[in-house]
Amino acid sequence: DGGITQSPKYLFRKEGQNVTLSCEQNLNHDAMYWYRQDPGQGLRLIYYSQIVNDFQKGDIAEGYSVSREKKESFPLTVTSAQKNPTAFYLCASSYLAGGYNEQFFGPGTRLTVL
Amino acid sequence: AQSVSQHNHHVILSEAASLELGCNYSYGGTVNLFWYVQYPGQHLQLLLKYFSGDPLVKGIKGFEAEFIKSKFSFNLRKPSVQWSDTAEYFCAVKGRRALTFGSGTRLQVQP
Repeated sequence: DGGITQSPKYLFRKEGQNVTLSCEQNLNHDAMYWYRQDPGQGLRLIYYSQIVNDFQKGDIAEGYSVSREKKESFPLTVTSAQKNPTAFYLCASSYLAGGYNEQFFGPGTRLTVL
Repeated sequence: AQSVSQHNHHVILSEAASLELGCNYSYGGTVNLFWYVQYPGQHLQLLLKYFSGDPLVKGIKGFEAEFIKSKFSFNLRKPSVQWSDTAEYFCAVKGRRALTFGSGTRLQVQP
C-alpha cells in the first residue's frame, strides 16, 4: 500500500533532550512537509522540502531541524531549544508538477515532554 | 502572506440537521482551496478541493463547498449530518510554499 508512515506514534522526552521523529513516504512525491498541530491553532508549518538535499523554514522553525538525504525520508529533530515541544506532529507529502499539490498526511506522532 | 479564518470553533448538531462551516481566506495569488477532515484517531484526509472552474465543489461523504470569490469564502456544507461526521474540519489555502490552515472546527453530532 502506498502511503506515509510516521514513527513512533507516541514519544516521551525529558526536558533538555533532542528527539527525532521519522517520516517515510512511498508515493514518489517530490515535496515533504512537517506541521505542528496544537488544540485551537490548526496546523502550522515547521519545515518543507521540495527536493532532495534542500529544505526551507516554515512559520515556526525555531528549535527544529530537518534533513532530506533521500526522496522518501524527511526526519524532524526537535531540539532542546524548542521551548514548548509538547504537540502533535504531522508529516505530509505531495507532487509538485502541475500545481495540483494536494497534500497527503501521515498518522502523526504525539510528543510529550516530561 | 496568506491566512485562513474559520469562524466556528465548536459546533454541536443533531443527526439529520444541516451543516455549514465558515471559511474565509486571504491570499493574493491564484486560489487553491481545500477542506480536510480529521476523524478521531485517524489520518487527516482530504474532503474536497477547488482549483478552478465550477465554484460549487462536491467531495466525499456528501460534503460540498462553494467558492465565492467576492466574499473570499469557501464554506463547507452538508444537507444532513450523521453521527459518523463527528470530527475536526480544517479549511486550507495553498500558498507559495505549502498549505496554510485555519484553526479548525470541531463538529459533534449527537444521535
